[in-house]
Amino acid sequence: QSVLTQPPSVSGAPGQRVTISCTGSSSNIGADYDVHWYQQRPGLAPKLLIHSNSNRPSGVPDRFSASRSGASASLAITGLQEEDEADYYCQSYDNTLGGFLIFGGGTKLTVL
Amino acid sequence: QVQLQQWGAGLLKPSETLSLTCAVYGGSLSGFYWSWIRQPPGRGLEWIGEIDHRGNTNYNPSLKSRVTISIDTSKNHFSLKLSSETAADTAVYYCARTAVVSPVAYDYWGQGTLVTVSS
Repeated sequence: QSVLTQPPSVSGAPGQRVTISCTGSSSNIGADYDVHWYQQRPGLAPKLLIHSNSNRPSGVPDRFSASRSGASASLAITGLQEEDEADYYCQSYDNTLGGFLIFGGGTKLTVL
Repeated sequence: QVQLQQWGAGLLKPSETLSLTCAVYGGSLSGFYWSWIRQPPGRGLEWIGEIDHRGNTNYNPSLKSRVTISIDTSKNHFSLKLSSETAADTAVYYCARTAVVSPVAYDYWGQGTLVTVSS
């Protein structure tokens, strides 16, 4: 079971907006550690989508946005496109047991 | 353009030691953390550990007793050893580099190596 909790799946029609939540605790997101988001298409390595809570690397469309509040974070995708169908993972740092990086369990986005 | 290319044995028997290497092309090892991350089939990502160019390491507490990450700056590569393999270690293993913009986000990844543990 992952330290960060994500919904197993979300779906939306092309053009719609979807959000993916990432819930942590007082030892990770709630302790003010940054959250990062990745997109993973089948058979490929994850791709950095959002870093440091809300920042898009160069080349990532502005349809992708994210935020963090308290012990949770969320990723929003507007104007859904078929190519957005993928798995999405949140990532942060946990300060227990000496500290280590943690990932959410992943959310499968289906574009209907 | 930075590229990470990884290799290693893809089939192990229980109790054997996994050994993977990741070569870094187009960039220096200095100034970044170099990590190993794995993904069991159909499941999520798990951070294994990291190393910097000086050889300083951090490991996932759940794997710490079995993991060794090393670095060879002369060859511009780093390696993973995971001992006492069991079927639960079957996964795609990725090497990755932390981003310039954050020491805990990963912007470059290897292609992944499927490691299967089976008798």
